[in-house]
Amino acid sequence: QVQLQESGPGLVKPSQTLSLTCNVSGDSINTATYYWSWIRQPAGKGLEYIGRVFLSGSTNYNPSLKSRVTISIDTSKNQFSLKLTSVTAADTAVYYCARDRPYSSLDQWGQGTLVTVSS
Amino acid sequence: DLQMTQSPSSLSASVGDRVTITCRTSQTISTYLNWYQQRPGKAPKLLIQAASNLQSGVPSRFSGSGSGTEFTLTISSLQPEDFATYYCQQSYTTPGMSTFGQGTKLEIK
Repeated sequence: QVQLQESGPGLVKPSQTLSLTCNVSGDSINTATYYWSWIRQPAGKGLEYIGRVFLSGSTNYNPSLKSRVTISIDTSKNQFSLKLTSVTAADTAVYYCARDRPYSSLDQWGQGTLVTVSS
Repeated sequence: DLQMTQSPSSLSASVGDRVTITCRTSQTISTYLNWYQQRPGKAPKLLIQAASNLQSGVPSRFSGSGSGTEFTLTISSLQPEDFATYYCQQSYTTPGMSTFGQGTKLEIK
């Protein structure tokens, strides 16, 4: 059973860069079957799609975040990463990583990690 | 741009009730529609994929239907563990701003 686990700082200062990693276990990330996605959820609000990365390194990003987001994949470590630059308090949220089957569903999720943007 | 409208935004019901949640899209998406359940403090869990395919391990009281632009999630007889927030998600277009519905919070009456 594949498992995903987010990791990274829980507190980021305004204007700095948020960096998170999703470690994948139980299966290889080195597969052309899935995308690997990031989703976030501010407290008390709905789910917001951030973006995804494919094995080749190709990406899709939410247009509303595209100018600040980079998602990358590291097959040697079986993990993928999120960088979000120039953060503000509006970026405070629980960040989830998920496995994304194209034209299908987000079938496996990490437990989520809370990132707070505050000085 | 594809728009998604999920309704109602909240719903009060009792154990044993039958409830239906609706998700509408502004353009046809065939059956590229998924449903997730999110309990408080937990990650979303995939319930139904491709409009009507129940995921393994999901109780049969959950069902999904629809195609094109209108979809429904039905819980035939609510159990205490079903009180949660439910989201629809379209996988027809490249993910972006309109990937998820707004969510339906199902509360105990």
